[in-house]
Amino acid sequence: LAKTTQPISMDSYEGQEVNITCSHNNIATNDYITWYQQFPSQGPRFIIQGYKTKVTNEVASLFIPADRKSSTLSLPRVSLSDTAVYYCLQGGKLIFGQGTELSVKP
Amino acid sequence: DAGVIQSPRHEVTEMGQEVTLRCKPISGHDYLFWYRQTMMRGLELLIYFNNNVPIDDSGMPEDRFSAKMPNASFSTLKIQPSEPRDSAVYFCASSSRREHQPQHFGDGTRLSIL
Repeated sequence: LAKTTQPISMDSYEGQEVNITCSHNNIATNDYITWYQQFPSQGPRFIIQGYKTKVTNEVASLFIPADRKSSTLSLPRVSLSDTAVYYCLQGGKLIFGQGTELSVKP
Repeated sequence: DAGVIQSPRHEVTEMGQEVTLRCKPISGHDYLFWYRQTMMRGLELLIYFNNNVPIDDSGMPEDRFSAKMPNASFSTLKIQPSEPRDSAVYFCASSSRREHQPQHFGDGTRLSIL
């Protein structure tokens, strides 16, 4: 069964760069990697999606190495409002897992 | 553009009562998903539809749960009879992509069964 693995929690301070890594076993050739962000009392929100190498948008960057067995979400210069749970999803598998709870401190 | 709209936002009812949750997906999206989120189990997929047809309902916990999508702009998730262990936040999401990503989520319905 395809499954992603992420750290349960991470702490950071305002202004720092945060990197959250996700491991994907059994990733299929056609699978994209998708990351979501969830704030308390809200539904998950799409952040970024990629297939290989690097993808960047106005919110984050996503790095996927050549073997595609992992991906790293990079949040530049985090602020308190980036405190949330972050999920990585593999392909069309609708499995959110436990996510990574990021806590940004002043 | 309006996002995914869920109603009600909060529901408190007594055990044994019927509960109906409603969802309006984003216009033009042909995939609709129902999820349940609890502290213990996280975010779990219950069922999803493609073009109003249920594709995978393997996540539906038991026969007390049922979901319908009578048309492209409306879906319901019904629990009958409800039990305290059904208390959770229920999310609806929709997507227009074949791989289901990205999904657009509603704000959820917080359900409390007393």
